[in-house]
Amino acid sequence: NAGVTQTPKFQVLKTGQSMTLQCAQDMNHNSMYWYRQDPGMGLRLIYYSASEGTTDKGEVPNGYNVSRLNKREFSLRLESAAPSQTSVYFCASRGTGENSPLHFGNGTRLTVT
Amino acid sequence: DAKTTQPNSMESNEEEPVHLPCNHSTISGTDYIHWYRQLPSQGPEYVIHGLTSNVNNRMASLAIAEDRKSSTLILHRATLRDAAVYYCILRDVGGGSNYKLTFGKGTLLTVNP
Repeated sequence: NAGVTQTPKFQVLKTGQSMTLQCAQDMNHNSMYWYRQDPGMGLRLIYYSASEGTTDKGEVPNGYNVSRLNKREFSLRLESAAPSQTSVYFCASRGTGENSPLHFGNGTRLTVT
Repeated sequence: DAKTTQPNSMESNEEEPVHLPCNHSTISGTDYIHWYRQLPSQGPEYVIHGLTSNVNNRMASLAIAEDRKSSTLILHRATLRDAAVYYCILRDVGGGSNYKLTFGKGTLLTVNP
């Protein structure tokens, strides 16, 4: 029962470095999402992909890019990391159906120094 | 998007019922009420959702006021494992909008042994 798998679990970057956060789901879900969560805050949507081949901006897309590589995988890229991007990043997926729930991974904790 | 209001924190004792309130006075006719919870160091997980009628599942019950301006998530017997942040979220299924849930700060539930 893997569900949604995120890698890496932890990462420390220096300002200006780049990296890609990986997310894969094994539930054959069409939609996938990237959220960030800052201390004491709710989750904010960065980007989402309603289906393979499509991506759309969420609430806080600046400084990020995404790729929906195939139906299983949805990656998030930071081209030039900034301290303001220090956060916990969660990937989620969702099946079809009007109220199908979101399934979340356990997050990637990113620190940018 | 219609907003929800939840208490910042609540406390309960193990094996007692817990009633987590949520106010959503601007709810529209096409808004579903969703509840998620986030255990420490994990991604959120789906708990329950409803539209007008009360709902029960293996995790919890959802009681929705007749005017739908408020709802209550009921945990029938709290366990230490139920200590988490609980999010009450409105999901608009009208107008063909994509499934973009907006997570607020939620209610931090502490369960005392």
